[in-house]
This record gives sequence, structure tokens and C-alpha cells, in this order.
Amino acid sequence: SQQGEEDPQALSIQEGENATMNCSYKTSINNLQWYRQNSGRGLVHLILIRSNEREKHSGRLRVTLDTSKKSSSLLITASRAADTASYFCATVSFYNQGGKLIFGQGTELSVKP
Amino acid sequence: EPEVTQTPSHQVTQMGQEVILRCVPISNHLYFYWYRQILGQKVEFLVSFYNNEISEKSEIFDDQFSVERPDGSNFTLKIRSTKLEDSAMYFCASRRQENSPLHFGNGTRLTVT
Repeated sequence: SQQGEEDPQALSIQEGENATMNCSYKTSINNLQWYRQNSGRGLVHLILIRSNEREKHSGRLRVTLDTSKKSSSLLITASRAADTASYFCATVSFYNQGGKLIFGQGTELSVKP
Repeated sequence: EPEVTQTPSHQVTQMGQEVILRCVPISNHLYFYWYRQILGQKVEFLVSFYNNEISEKSEIFDDQFSVERPDGSNFTLKIRSTKLEDSAMYFCASRRQENSPLHFGNGTRLTVT
């Protein structure tokens, strides 16, 4: 299997705090992407980081990638109640660059006002 | 902003019946996908479609499943004889080119009774 684990499975924080979610994978990748899913809805793309990049920012989001450890983290700074959702990492294999995204199990984030 | 649209939003069917789930991908996208998500579980890849043919399929995508892009705009998933375990959210996704983010529809909730 290409995909590993995400942790934590669930995270509950207060508004204003930072949230960090981690993702590990097993095979060589071309890129890693983070998606958000509100309950019962489709997935929304947040950020894409390529295998030759180490860090990327988008607004309050910061993603890191460590290919030597086959892991990534997503940091959401100054969280808001509206950030409450499930967050998934997904990888594109180095060997199948036009191919499918493989998703992790996800982290369920709850931000309390 | 262009969207991937899926219909119906909810489909209830009896075991053994055929269902067709419909999707309209974003118009200039070239790669098309179906994923499913059983309640509370991760998003699983079913099939990818490019240049009018299946490019990859998972073990889940057995002979009971088929996909079609009949008219250059719609992208359908057919399940010939539904089973109880086919109950899930089915998501259609598309993208313009390799290694670009996926755009997901809001899904069809399939309930097999």
C-alpha cells in the first residue's frame, strides 16, 4: 500500500490555537496534497507540495515535507471554528505521475469557539 | 469558479438493482476519477479515466462496475447489481493535467437496502 497513517485521528482545540496534523507514506512520491472535507461534502484541495520542496505556505496553512522520513505535516495557525473539518493527505506516486491520488485515513479537527 | 457537479445527491436502491451515478466534470479537464468513501472510513480510489479509456482501476472496481463518458461532458459510474456493501458516498473528480490538484464533486450518497 502506498499510503501510511495520519495522526492524530482526532484533534480538538480552542479557537486561536494552532493545529498540527501529520501524515506518513510508504513509497516514493511525486507530490503530496492536503484536502479538507466538511461533513458529508466533497473534498476541497488546500495545498500541493512537490517532492523537491520542503515547505510551502498558503495563508494560515503551512505544509512541510520530509522525503527522507516519508512524512508531511499540515499546520493551521490561529484556528477558527470554521476550520472544523476532516483533513486528508494524499500522495501521487513517483512511478505513476498521471495516476491516482491515494488518501490517508484523515484527521478530524474540531475547533471550539 | 467552475465546479464538478454530481447527481443525484442521494440514491436509494434495492440490492441487485442497477444504479448509474452521474458527474459533469469541469469542461477543460482531461483526467477523470471515481472515489468512494464508506461512512467513517477513508476515501478509496475506484477508477481513473483518460483519453476515453480506463487508465487504472482498483481491486474494488470489479466486473459489476463500469464507467462511461458518452457525450464529452458527462462521466458516469454504473453498478450493475448492487450489494449492501456498495453503500457509500461516491465522489467524482477531475483535473486538467498530470500532477495538478483534483477537483471533487459533492458526492452521491448511495444507500443499498
